[in-house]
Amino acid sequence: DQQVKQNSPSLSVQEGRISILNCDYTNSMFDYFLWYKKYPAEGPTFLISISSIKDKNEDGRFTVFLNKSAKHLSLHIVPSQPGDSAVYFCAASARYGGSQGNLIFGKGTKLSVKP
Amino acid sequence: DADVTQTPRNRITKTGKRIMLECSQTKGHDRMYWYRQDPGLGLRLIYYSFDVKDINKGEISDGYSVSRQAQAKFSLSLESAIPNQTALYFCATSDLTGSHTDTQYFGPGTRLTVL
Repeated sequence: DQQVKQNSPSLSVQEGRISILNCDYTNSMFDYFLWYKKYPAEGPTFLISISSIKDKNEDGRFTVFLNKSAKHLSLHIVPSQPGDSAVYFCAASARYGGSQGNLIFGKGTKLSVKP
Repeated sequence: DADVTQTPRNRITKTGKRIMLECSQTKGHDRMYWYRQDPGLGLRLIYYSFDVKDINKGEISDGYSVSRQAQAKFSLSLESAIPNQTALYFCATSDLTGSHTDTQYFGPGTRLTVL
């Protein structure tokens, strides 16, 4: 049973426009959410995170929104740049729910930003 | 210098061979993890260790073993490699202290091919 779902395997966006990557989760014990970016031939790199006590976190061009009632989070990239082209993984953890803070990853969304 | 290093970066081996993948970190983190990535399946946890004396199985531990030789070193072994263990393998670390204890930092990965 997939606890973290990224239903869009790929997304194509024009440079300068907004990229919106979506993630859904099923485990109500998740209380910390992260986005990772992965380029080919490299390991995933941490991008931005949000705690369940917040509904929004911003870091430069990147904003993560959390809707706990819908068990949904999204990553907004504004404006999108060609260098943002990568695979983006959503991850979640339940610090107090028995998983000891281990991360559960979605399958990833490949973002392509076209010049 | 990279904080999390993995050796080798690429390995081709034959069915039945014993393979060891190594991970070293200079971040001073207590927790270390091994994941594999398969196309379309995201990152799946193989084993994790919260300190030198603590080893835990992850989601897909069958066919793998690990050794935590020191705080900074965590190795993954395939006792008898089989073709469906062909994948990208990532090591990761996280800190036991601080406000973001669940944020993991990944190595560059090892591409393993089992013929």
